[in-house]
Amino acid sequence: DSGVTQTPKHLITATGQRVTLRCSPRSGDLSVYWYQQSLDQGLQFLIQYYNGEERAKGNILERFSAQQFPDLHSELNLSSLELGDSALYFCASSVVELGSQYFGPGTRLTVL
Amino acid sequence: KNEVEQSPQNLTAQEGEFITINCSYSVGISALHWLQQHPGGGIVSLFMLSSGKKKHGRLIATINIQEKHSSLHITASHPRDSAVYICAVSGAGSYQLTFGKGTKLSVIP
Repeated sequence: DSGVTQTPKHLITATGQRVTLRCSPRSGDLSVYWYQQSLDQGLQFLIQYYNGEERAKGNILERFSAQQFPDLHSELNLSSLELGDSALYFCASSVVELGSQYFGPGTRLTVL
Repeated sequence: KNEVEQSPQNLTAQEGEFITINCSYSVGISALHWLQQHPGGGIVSLFMLSSGKKKHGRLIATINIQEKHSSLHITASHPRDSAVYICAVSGAGSYQLTFGKGTKLSVIP
């Protein structure tokens, strides 16, 4: 158990819908990262927050947004869902930026 | 953009064998990570290194900055080592990780 929690574990929804994935980092970790893992693209970095501020942005679609709240938990919002958004979404946290990252168990999103 | 190449893509070994997985990258980095992804999907960070060598139990990771290459070694492999091993790098001055496609390791009893 890494200490990083993600909810929900599984999510099945329809195209065009909007979902919110939640991540709670390890106690004391200020940095949160979001990743997408799909069968064809592998693992891809989406976005990183540090103590509430966005610090780096990767291949995140405009339909996706994220934020980190004052209690350091983070949410990833995915809207206007498409079939291709079906993937595993991981959250990770670290104490400092560029530190070792601890991964959550992931949320498996299925868009039908 | 950094390109991360791993080899081999798939590896089958007999229990007890010494295993090496390689990772090469194309541009300068601030750190290299080795991750392990279990069949159930969970990801565990094994090592983060920017120079030299690190050891944890039966796992050893080395990096050669000049050659832009890293290796992950597993000594006395065991069936529970069966997993996908993923190399990832963060570019110089960047917090963004770029991932290799992974090496699927199967250790047979």
